[in-house]
Amino acid sequence: DIVMTQSPDSLAVSLGERATINCKSSQSVLYSSNNKNYLAWYQQKPGQPPKLLIYWASTRESGVPDRFSGSGSGTDFTLIISSLQAEDVAVYYCQQYYGTPPWTFGQGTKVDIK
Amino acid sequence: EVQLLESGGGLVQPGGSLRLSCAASGFTFSAYAMTWVRQAPGKGLEWVSAISGSGSSTYYADSVKGRFTISRDSSKNTLYLQMNSLRVEDTAIYYCATGEGYNWNYFAKYWGQGTLVTVSS
Repeated sequence: DIVMTQSPDSLAVSLGERATINCKSSQSVLYSSNNKNYLAWYQQKPGQPPKLLIYWASTRESGVPDRFSGSGSGTDFTLIISSLQAEDVAVYYCQQYYGTPPWTFGQGTKVDIK
Repeated sequence: EVQLLESGGGLVQPGGSLRLSCAASGFTFSAYAMTWVRQAPGKGLEWVSAISGSGSSTYYADSVKGRFTISRDSSKNTLYLQMNSLRVEDTAIYYCATGEGYNWNYFAKYWGQGTLVTVSS
């Protein structure tokens, strides 16, 4: 199975500042036939189910603020919150969906306010 | 509006069984694969199982293979997870989820609120 590793495990950022979360896969999740990266990002707040933020590595889900952006290709990916808001405090997970299941998730990155 | 409502969780002894249900509404149920994801208390997300839109293809995590069975009933718009030979380490919130994909989901655009399964003596 593809192993997903996020860094850091946690970070604290001042309001209005940039938060950067990295995700590395143990093998490429770029499908050459369609040039798509099979990588998604989720946000999970306490007591709530995960919420889809980004899919195909960089496509923002409808309704997600544009301060959230995803980038990367192959094995290395990044989620950026360009200007952290109080409501962005949450745990963020990357997930690969390359090929047949299983999905695998990163271990999560907890984002707090400094 | 898409809604997914899980039920069937509870307290069960090790070795016991439980059947989870996920009632779906707001979309054409048979047109989409469905997925179960779990989250142990204070831990991360773990994919458990998936089923194709037709129900003919199923997929399982190694940790549950041979013990859990996923199924769906399109006449009732309901997804199931039959869990047998439960272990303490199966204790978790179980979410049903769906999104793009017919043979399997690519990513989960829609999630239920989850149902808690506690395996303890």
